[in-house]
Amino acid sequence: DAKTTQPNSMESNEEEPVHLPCNHSTISGTDYIHWYRQLPSQGPEYVIHGLTSNVNNRMASLAIAEDRKSSTLILHRATLRDAAVYYCILNNAGNMLTFGGGTRLMVKP
Amino acid sequence: KAGVTQTPRYLIKTRGQQVTLSCSPISGHRSVSWYQQTPGQGLQFLFEYFSETQRNKGNFPGRFSGRQFSNSRSEMNVSTLELGDSALYLCASRRASTDTQYFGPGTRLTVL
Repeated sequence: DAKTTQPNSMESNEEEPVHLPCNHSTISGTDYIHWYRQLPSQGPEYVIHGLTSNVNNRMASLAIAEDRKSSTLILHRATLRDAAVYYCILNNAGNMLTFGGGTRLMVKP
Repeated sequence: KAGVTQTPRYLIKTRGQQVTLSCSPISGHRSVSWYQQTPGQGLQFLFEYFSETQRNKGNFPGRFSGRQFSNSRSEMNVSTLELGDSALYLCASRRASTDTQYFGPGTRLTVL
């Protein structure tokens, strides 16, 4: 399985943008890049996914490098509610997610 | 639409016992996957069921099993519990046509 590498933790100030990086140098052509987040005491929650083009939704934006070996999840204005562990996952089977360690995002008021 | 529900939310068992956990997917979702989350190993895939058939299985011993019913509800069973089975067990459902998985709140199992 193709693996992803993320920083263990990041810190942000409330209402500022946050860029969460993910490296996936062994990504295959059919792998979608998925992001999930897990708030304290909850199950993971889908954030966004993409294949080649940058993607936007109401929660975040996903910027994918041209060679697809890395991607960045962008939260445009971090709130305290965005404090969570963010997982970057490569998915080409749809039914089996392989989670890495994720990035613990801390948001300071 | 109601989300994925899991019962019970908390469970305490002793070594050697067996346990059954239940998951009700979102209405219309026919795929149900199970994951185990521990502080040491993180989130690990257990298995996936679709239309009552197991489609994928993770790297877990045979003590971990599951099934899916015709209404898409799923159960997982762990027999001969070990201390290391203490974990948060998460269930996720998805529609057949998409990759997005929707997770339940989990069942926290403690083995004493």
